[in-house]
Amino acid sequence: QQQVKQSPQSLIVQKGGISIINCAYENTAFDYFPWYQQFPGKGPALLIAIRPDVSEKKEGRFTISFNKSAKQFSLHIMDSQPGDSATYFCAAKSALGRLYFGRGTQLTVWP
Amino acid sequence: NAGVMQNPRHLVRRRGQEARLRCSPMKGHSHVYWYRQLPEEGLKFMVYLQKENIIDESGMPKERFSAEFPKEGPSILRIQQVVRGDSAAYFCASSPVTGESEQYFGPGTRLTVT
Repeated sequence: QQQVKQSPQSLIVQKGGISIINCAYENTAFDYFPWYQQFPGKGPALLIAIRPDVSEKKEGRFTISFNKSAKQFSLHIMDSQPGDSATYFCAAKSALGRLYFGRGTQLTVWP
Repeated sequence: NAGVMQNPRHLVRRRGQEARLRCSPMKGHSHVYWYRQLPEEGLKFMVYLQKENIIDESGMPKERFSAEFPKEGPSILRIQQVVRGDSAAYFCASSPVTGESEQYFGPGTRLTVT
């Protein structure tokens, strides 16, 4: 059973546009929600993260929106750039420490 | 400040051989997590270790897989008698002594079983 569901599977956005990736989770005991960016052949890099007592967090062009009642959270990438083309993973952390990952979204930003 | 280090970066093994994957956490981090990534899939948790202790191994296959994090030296993920289905990228992540939530990943070891 997939604990974290991520959509869309792939996303194509024009340079300067907004990229939006959505995730949903089931377990209300999750206490931390990070997003990772992964380039081909590399390890996932922590991009931005949020705790469930906060509804929004912004760092530069990246924003997480968190809806605790709906058990959903999303990543918004403003002014998307070709260098943002990568695979993005949402995740949720259990109290024991393990991360449950979504299946990933392959983002392509056209110049 | 060096990040998480993993070696080897690429490992080729024939069916039936053993694979040993090593992970050195970031300086000051004493929590290590191993994840496996199959092609076109997200990362799947395998095991969580602290120095000399296995905290959570609920994601580890029951047979052929083992992990350790000794008092000195890197964490080791060991796969005995590898099969083709073990071909994947194996990532290690670490978090600080205080058990903070942030997990920082290494570059991974890409295991190919022929």
